[in-house]
Amino acid sequence: GAGVSQTPSNKVTEKGKYVELRCDPISGHTALYWYRQSLGQGPEFLIYFQGTGAADDSGLPNDRFFAVRPEGSVSTLKIQRTERGDSAVYLCASSAVSGRATDTQYFGPGTRLTVL
Amino acid sequence: KQEVTQIPAALSVPEGENLVLNCSFTDSAIYNLQWFRQDPGKGLTSLLLIQSSQREQTSGRLNASLDKSSGRSTLYIAASQPGDSATYLCAPDQTGANNLFFGTGTRLTVIP
Repeated sequence: GAGVSQTPSNKVTEKGKYVELRCDPISGHTALYWYRQSLGQGPEFLIYFQGTGAADDSGLPNDRFFAVRPEGSVSTLKIQRTERGDSAVYLCASSAVSGRATDTQYFGPGTRLTVL
Repeated sequence: KQEVTQIPAALSVPEGENLVLNCSFTDSAIYNLQWFRQDPGKGLTSLLLIQSSQREQTSGRLNASLDKSSGRSTLYIAASQPGDSATYLCAPDQTGANNLFFGTGTRLTVIP
């Protein structure tokens, strides 16, 4: 079946603008994660959804970042008033059950965000 | 917070060689640990998942071991091929957390 998909693959924006990044998880996966990967670093956790609710948003760096998953499937990561330091690859992952189960996380190809 | 270290940071080997990638983590209270590969400009591909109760997992030419009490995991790649060239990331979780924790990876180059 299809894997995790993310759109757009690349996004270039200007400082101060608003952006939305979309993630389509594997069908039937209830758990969805957002990570951010800066150049030369490993991914860092942002937020975790179990179904429609954000079960853990402890990784969001500040209140400019927000994510939703209204129907328990597609998720959108929203960034307000973008800053140059927000430039990174934003990765989405999904797994079949909750984050505390021994379940493989499957990652999408990522969205490369560049803030000029 | 779980801290992950991977050694070496980069490794270059001739084709056909067997190799070992090392991963250490600071908190042994984990549910599982995953190994991923990442090709340049791409997302992460899951290679192996080891549950905390397991000592090792095998998939083809890959074998991952886990010593949970000492906070260590190794990824063994047999008979390396140029197509194995990628960055390999180790990612344990942590009891009480919902996410995976990543190191900076080992960048592997297999020379034909």
